[in-house]
Amino acid sequence: DVKVTQSSRYLVKRTGEKVFLECVQDMDHENMFWYRQDPGLGLRLIYFSYDVKMKEKGDIPEGYSVSREKKERFSLILESASTNQTSMYLCASSLGLAVPFPKNIQYFGAGTRLSVL
Amino acid sequence: GDSVTQMEGPVTLSEEAFLTINCTYTATGYPSLFWYVQYPGEGLQLLLKATKADDKGSNKGFEATYRKETTSFHLEKGSVQVSDSAVYFCAPARNSGAGSYQLTFGKGTKLSVIP
Repeated sequence: DVKVTQSSRYLVKRTGEKVFLECVQDMDHENMFWYRQDPGLGLRLIYFSYDVKMKEKGDIPEGYSVSREKKERFSLILESASTNQTSMYLCASSLGLAVPFPKNIQYFGAGTRLSVL
Repeated sequence: GDSVTQMEGPVTLSEEAFLTINCTYTATGYPSLFWYVQYPGEGLQLLLKATKADDKGSNKGFEATYRKETTSFHLEKGSVQVSDSAVYFCAPARNSGAGSYQLTFGKGTKLSVIP
């Protein structure tokens, strides 16, 4: 079974802090994604990565950055956390270009609920 | 850009009732279509998918048919159970051109099934 693990289920941070959200997958997937989930807005893509050290902006990248130094790990970084970044953050991974679309289904982690005070 | 219109919830049904959650989309090209489910306290799981027009995806008693002419992918189940209580997301997929594909999620429909 594919396993996508997010390091924390709940985090509480203060405004202005630098925040790291970590995600690890164990299935050698090329692609990894970060979403945020807010009531009434569904899931919105922040960033995704299709290879080590490669990244692409999603729909709402402002205020976020990402790091992909190793294939299995994809980090979301809030350089200076703000209260409007209080949300549920979901990581996902999928196989890459070598697998015919749409067999490369996205698998999700359990989520990190971040509160910024 | 692509968008998804999903029936707003919350939806409350009695056990064994019939469920329909409507989903329509606008997308360039002919995307693949997915339904994801999120059980309380968990991440999203793929429920079913359809890859071309008239395809019917099915899983766990749920079904959805890819209707190209109406750009719809409505989710149905003939007899819901308490264990089906969850949030359901409709998600068309499109190739991102960067070695991957992107999902566009609907806002989600919360289903509560009461005994």
